[in-house]
Amino acid sequence: KAGVTQTPRYLIKTRGQQVTLSCSPISGHRSVSWYQQTPGQGLQFLFEYFSETQRNKGNFPGRFSGRQFSNSRSEMNVSTLELGDSALYLCASSSGQGAVGYGYTFGSGTRLTVV
Amino acid sequence: LAKTTQPISMDSYEGQEVNITCSHNNIATNDYITWYQQFPSQGPRFIIQGYKTKVTNEVASLFIPADRKSSTLSLPRVSLSDTAVYYCLVGDGAGNMLTFGGGTRLMVKP
Repeated sequence: KAGVTQTPRYLIKTRGQQVTLSCSPISGHRSVSWYQQTPGQGLQFLFEYFSETQRNKGNFPGRFSGRQFSNSRSEMNVSTLELGDSALYLCASSSGQGAVGYGYTFGSGTRLTVV
Repeated sequence: LAKTTQPISMDSYEGQEVNITCSHNNIATNDYITWYQQFPSQGPRFIIQGYKTKVTNEVASLFIPADRKSSTLSLPRVSLSDTAVYYCLVGDGAGNMLTFGGGTRLMVKP
């Protein structure tokens, strides 16, 4: 079956701009979560959506937002970009049932560079 | 969510068995233990999950003692392609989020 698809794979933006990243989960998966990975902070949880509802949110400023559509596809948006937002943004798809962490499938990520 | 502690790095040789231990002293009753593997510029990949005793699948085994304050991921007969970062996570279904620690960077040498 098709995996988790994240688009675009690479992105370069200027400080102050905004960016939208997209994630298409595995067919049938209703949960999509987002993570930011940087060399200094490692993998950090941003937010998780299940059936279009945000169920949990990490400790990130309000500039980071997301949404999920009825087909489970999700987008995350970062406004007023800062240099420190440069990172690999990963999306994970799961059924949303059972013990957390079981069988999450991650996409290959979007590498965002802010200049 | 319980914090985890694992070695920063480990070296091994092809064909050897590798055991990576993770400490999670504050694990809660409902928490499961999950391990992920990550290669450079890729998302983490689920390896195995367990609650207690021993779990085995086609790629690894997970050993969890009775007190559940630690766990050991066992990789049998590693190859060069097992060189990656391995993350140990604990959490229950309520949080719906994964808290990654620093991970263990495993280097497999020929």
